[in-house]
Amino acid sequence: SQQGEEDPQALSIQEGENATMNCSYKTSINNLQWYRQNSGRGLVHLILIRSNEREKHSGRLRVTLDTSKKSSSLLITASRAADTASYFCATDAGRDDKIIFGKGTRLHILP
Amino acid sequence: EADIYQTPRYLVIGTGKKITLECSQTMGHDKMYWYQQDPGMELHLIHYSYGVNSTEKGDLSSESTVSRIRTEHFPLTLESARPSHTSQYLCASGHQGIGTDTQYFGPGTRLTVL
Repeated sequence: SQQGEEDPQALSIQEGENATMNCSYKTSINNLQWYRQNSGRGLVHLILIRSNEREKHSGRLRVTLDTSKKSSSLLITASRAADTASYFCATDAGRDDKIIFGKGTRLHILP
Repeated sequence: EADIYQTPRYLVIGTGKKITLECSQTMGHDKMYWYQQDPGMELHLIHYSYGVNSTEKGDLSSESTVSRIRTEHFPLTLESARPSHTSQYLCASGHQGIGTDTQYFGPGTRLTVL
């Protein structure tokens, strides 16, 4: 069964607004990652948060992790048209160097 | 920008043809992966490798095969392509080490089998 599941499946917001995506998972993890995928391209790693961390920042990105609720959120502040993409969370679940990707959130930034 | 390359980027072929999708990386990574992804859907791991002469099947059953004769090269082969193989194939690599760290993805090969 899927380890990570993103919510919402799709999100459209106006440029300049903040976008929040959530990821829930089922089993204990060592770390959780967020990736971005532009249409028809490969994935690009955005940020990794380890199980003993609660929050992490990278530029306009802010990731939180709540291991008690088995959930993570990705916040993109001051969104831009270039942020239009699909965003995936990925968890390891102790599976020996393999990670499991969720179904993704499709983010569309409106001009 | 990750130094991982996939060729071809797009491939349209007829049923029954043998095809090889190429993947190479110049980062010296031991771990390499192949994922299959249908449009707008999640990624499914179909093959992975921990190093030279190491290959394992992933979570999604696939009729493809892989080889890892050189660290930098991880080709995927379909002996007889079928329309059900139409999909996007993504190659990735990562560092060898304890636990799971970042994977670096190639641009993908979009395969269409007629």
